[in-house]
Order: sequence, then structure tokens, then C-alpha cells
Amino acid sequence: LAKTTQPISMDSYEGQEVNITCSHNNIATNDYITWYQQFPSQGPRFIIQGYKTKVTNEVASLFIPADRKSSTLSLPRVSLSDTAVYYCLVGDQNTGGFKTIFGAGTRLFVKA
Amino acid sequence: GAVVSQHPSRVICKSGTSVKIECRSLDFQATTMFWYRQFPKKSLMLMATSNEGSKATYEQGVEKDKFLINHASLTLSTLTVTSAHPEDSSFYICSVGERGPHQNIQYFGAGTRLSVL
Repeated sequence: LAKTTQPISMDSYEGQEVNITCSHNNIATNDYITWYQQFPSQGPRFIIQGYKTKVTNEVASLFIPADRKSSTLSLPRVSLSDTAVYYCLVGDQNTGGFKTIFGAGTRLFVKA
Repeated sequence: GAVVSQHPSRVICKSGTSVKIECRSLDFQATTMFWYRQFPKKSLMLMATSNEGSKATYEQGVEKDKFLINHASLTLSTLTVTSAHPEDSSFYICSVGERGPHQNIQYFGAGTRLSVL
């Protein structure tokens, strides 16, 4: 499973766009990139998953450059309720199976 | 995605007692479930992989006799913390792996906060 590196914490204000970048230099050809969100005292929640270029859903966008050595989670117009820890994970369905190893994550603080 | 129910949400027990935590996959038959523990301000640590109908696979450093896992059906896995001690106090979270169109996605329970006095 590829190792990921994220900023430990980030601050933002309500209404701003927040971009959290994750480095995964050793990403393998078959690896996908998945982001989870965790609120205090709750289990993580799946946000978005992608392989290359851009993926967008109702919650966020995921930007992946051509070399795939990094990815950026973009949260549009954050609110106070987006304060949480965001985890970036990289893995392969076939070889890694379901096993998921979490890194330290990024603590996002959204201020009023 | 899969809906995962975890019970209880919080438990307080005396040192030396055993505590059982249940993890149910409500709408998905899960041959594999995962158990994590999380200390305050720390990331999730994978404890073990629970396999339906067979023995669980434990991560290095996790005592299998301390943390008993039973996955007797496709919808239920249980974690029993035996002879709990204060150092076992933590947030325990289970998850179900669902095969997506490309990559597996984990769906997590709400977690169980264990406090051992």
C-alpha cells in the first residue's frame, strides 16, 4: 500500500474553497485514490474516489495530475460543519484487497 | 453505500471485565469486516480483519487472545475485549468493505467509546 503525506492541519473561513493536497509518490499503476472525512467521535465517511484527471460529486472534487504522484481534494464554500479530519488513502482493489491503512490525516478547522 | 451499525456507542466498565462490541452490516452481506482502534487526536489503527466463517487476521502487535473477533454470519462481527484494563480505553470502529466499480470503499460504523475504570 502506497504511503501518503498530507499537511497535519489547515485553517479556513466559512465560504472559502479549501484544497487539501496529498502526496503519494509511490503510487502503483493499479492504485486508486480515496478520501474519507471523520468528525470527532464518529467513524470515517467516504467522500470521493478517483484514478486520474478530475472527479466531482455533490460533496467535493478530486484533482489528480497526469503523474498521479499527488492529489488534491477540493471542498467548495466550506461551512463550520466541514471542520473534520480528512484522510487520503491509496490502494489497489486486486492486490490490496479491502485492507485500508490510514495515515495521519489533515485536520481542517473552519472558522466563522 | 453499505450501512453499518455498531453497538454500543459507549461503554464504561470496571477493570478486569470483558466487553463485547457488535458490528452489523444492515444492507450488505459482508464476508470481510475490519476493526480499528483510535486514540485521541490520532489516526485509525487497523487491528484485525474479520473473515466470515474463519479466523480473523490480526495486525502485528495486536493480541488475538485479548481482542477476540467472531464473524459468524455475513451481517455480524463482534469484538470482545477480554479482561479490559485502563490502557484498553479507546475508540473502536468497525467497517465493511464494499467493492466499488473500481476500488474498494470502506463504510464505517459510528464507533464505540470504551472507558475502563
